[in-house]
Amino acid sequence: AQSVTQPDIHITVSEGASLELRCNYSYGATPYLFWYVQSPGQGLQLLLKYFSGDTLVQGIKGFEAEFKRSQSSFNLRKPSVHWSDAAEYFCAVGSRNTGNQFYFGTGTSLTVIP
Amino acid sequence: EPEVTQTPSHQVTQMGQEVILRCVPISNHLYFYWYRQILGQKVEFLVSFYNNEISEKSEIFDDQFSVERPDGSNFTLKIRSTKLEDSAMYFCASTPGTPLGTQYFGPGTRLLVL
Repeated sequence: AQSVTQPDIHITVSEGASLELRCNYSYGATPYLFWYVQSPGQGLQLLLKYFSGDTLVQGIKGFEAEFKRSQSSFNLRKPSVHWSDAAEYFCAVGSRNTGNQFYFGTGTSLTVIP
Repeated sequence: EPEVTQTPSHQVTQMGQEVILRCVPISNHLYFYWYRQILGQKVEFLVSFYNNEISEKSEIFDDQFSVERPDGSNFTLKIRSTKLEDSAMYFCASTPGTPLGTQYFGPGTRLLVL
């Protein structure tokens, strides 16, 4: 069965510190991978996506993510966090084998302290 | 930049009542989706819609739910007889040309069933 795991429910980092949010997936086929961000009261905004090619993808707002097939992971990183990055982050996975259904992780809530 | 819009932003209804949630996808998009997010939980896929018919639906999308694209611009989700457990944030999304393309999400409708 397909699944997406975000092991960290909540993370707190200091402004200016680096950030890594973990995402692991369980899929039987080549996955399409996404990271979305949700600010309080807002919808989901796409940060970045991986379909194929270079396994290190760059996104908006200075975020990047690396697809590691051997580890079934797609971790999100940012070298220096800003206070405005405080939000909920969701990893999502899709695959041709699942039609056009996306699976979301449970999310990681990020708090940024001054 | 074009965006997905949803109305209303908030809706309160009595258990057993019918509700219709409305979405206007991005105009040249072809695939449309509804998701829900119960408070504090992950985003869950409900249904996808293409070429005026449902292309995929989840177990959540039972006979109480229906979707429609009545006029070529609106995309609606109807819940025939709401239950307390239908209280959630409902997100509409659309993709331009391929079912596993980037999904653009609306801001959501928060539904509260009393």
